[in-house]
Amino acid sequence: QQQVKQSPQSLIVQKGGIPIINCAYENTAFDYFPWYQQFPGKGPALLIAIRPDVSEKKEGRFTISFNKSAKQFSLHIMDSQPGDSATYFCAAKESGNTPLVFGKGTRLSVIA
Amino acid sequence: DAGITQSPRHKVTETGTPVTLRCHQTENHRYMYWYRQDPGHGLRLIHYSYGVKDTDKGEVSDGYSVSRSKTEDFLLTLESATSSQTSVYFCATGAIHNEQFFGPGTRLTVL
Repeated sequence: QQQVKQSPQSLIVQKGGIPIINCAYENTAFDYFPWYQQFPGKGPALLIAIRPDVSEKKEGRFTISFNKSAKQFSLHIMDSQPGDSATYFCAAKESGNTPLVFGKGTRLSVIA
Repeated sequence: DAGITQSPRHKVTETGTPVTLRCHQTENHRYMYWYRQDPGHGLRLIHYSYGVKDTDKGEVSDGYSVSRSKTEDFLLTLESATSSQTSVYFCATGAIHNEQFFGPGTRLTVL
C-alpha cells in the first residue's frame, strides 16, 4: 500500500506559470511533510518542509499548502523558471524513530 | 552533497555475482539510509541504520544486506545480483530522521 500518493507524474508549464504538485496520505500519525528537489544526475535535496500545525509555509518562490482535514498537501512554485525543471518528491514521517516515506515523484519541465 | 561520497559511481556486473556499494560520510550523522530509485517507483528505502551495528529493514530489503561498523561507513551488499536490482542507488544521512542529505548516487547495471 502506497502511503503517500503524489500527482501528477509529470507536468509541463510555461515560464512564469505556477505548477502545483499534490500529495495525499492516509496515516494520521504523520506529523512532518517535506519536499525534495532532484536535478538530473544528482541526489535529491531538501527544499521545504511543513508540520500540520500550520496551513501554509513559504520559502522564496516555493509554498507548501497543507490541509489536515483532507489529508493533503501541495507544493506551489511561483513565477516558475526553466531552472526549476527537476523531479520533485513529497514525503511524510511519523514522530519517533521512523524514516521518511516518499511519494513517487513528479517530473516538472518549465519551458521558456 | 553534505560530505557524502558513494563508491563506485558506476558499476556493471553479471547476474549471480556479489556486489558491495559503499557510502562514506564526514558529517558524523547518526542515521544512514540506502534507497533505490527506479522510473515509476520513486525512492524506495532498502535498509537504514540508526547507529553503529544498528540497522533495520526498509520497504524493499529482500536480496540486500547492510553493515555499519563505523559511524562514517554504511555498506550495501547484493549477495547474488539479479537483473531486477539494476537501478540507481542513493545513500542518505541525517543527524535526525527528519532531515536527510543524499549522496550523488551509484548507477548499477546487472546483465
